[in-house]
Amino acid sequence: DAMVIQNPRYQVTQFGKPVTLSCSQTLNHNVMYWYQQKSSQAPKLLFHYYDKDFNNEADTPDNFQSRRPNTSFCFLDIRSPGLGDAAMYLCATTQGEMNTEAFFGQGTRLTVV
Amino acid sequence: KNQVEQSPQSLIILEGKNCTLQCNYTVSPFSNLRWYKQDTGRGPVSLTIMTFSENTKSNGRYTATLDADTKQSSLHITASQLSDSASYICVVSPTYNNNDMRFGAGTRLTVKP
Repeated sequence: DAMVIQNPRYQVTQFGKPVTLSCSQTLNHNVMYWYQQKSSQAPKLLFHYYDKDFNNEADTPDNFQSRRPNTSFCFLDIRSPGLGDAAMYLCATTQGEMNTEAFFGQGTRLTVV
Repeated sequence: KNQVEQSPQSLIILEGKNCTLQCNYTVSPFSNLRWYKQDTGRGPVSLTIMTFSENTKSNGRYTATLDADTKQSSLHITASQLSDSASYICVVSPTYNNNDMRFGAGTRLTVKP
């Protein structure tokens, strides 16, 4: 059974049109992460939530925002997608921030046209 | 320069054969090393996680080894199956923080009948 669920699996959006990607989890983990993975590259951490505390990576563009309304859900908002934002977006969860197993969702493949 | 280097970049083997994937890292200090399997278009799935005190860990047909002195790890796959075709990603954490995972670029394995 899927424990970290991302919706949709595939998203096509227009250049400059805001888009929201969704992640939900059934693990009741307190930490949720968003990664960006471009083709043939390693995933790049964008930000993470420890409970409700938001932690942004220093080089994450302002164009990317996130919301975590409750433990189970976390959203990635891209305010004005550019062609360079086309990528796979991965959501992950851990229980605690320290040395614990990370569970990934199946990812959302974002295409910008 | 990536602190986690994987080799080979890609590998093709016949079904039933064994193979070994390599991971060399320069990440320091060292907390843990993980191996993930990522099917095309899907999120990574955890295979093993090892701390510095562990030098081998198995998960079914997958066996990971770690030499923290030489900063090398390997993932050995026994009796390969077609479903083993995927990218295998080595991830090293310098601290106990899960948000500080350093990803390798992965080895793309193709198992042919």
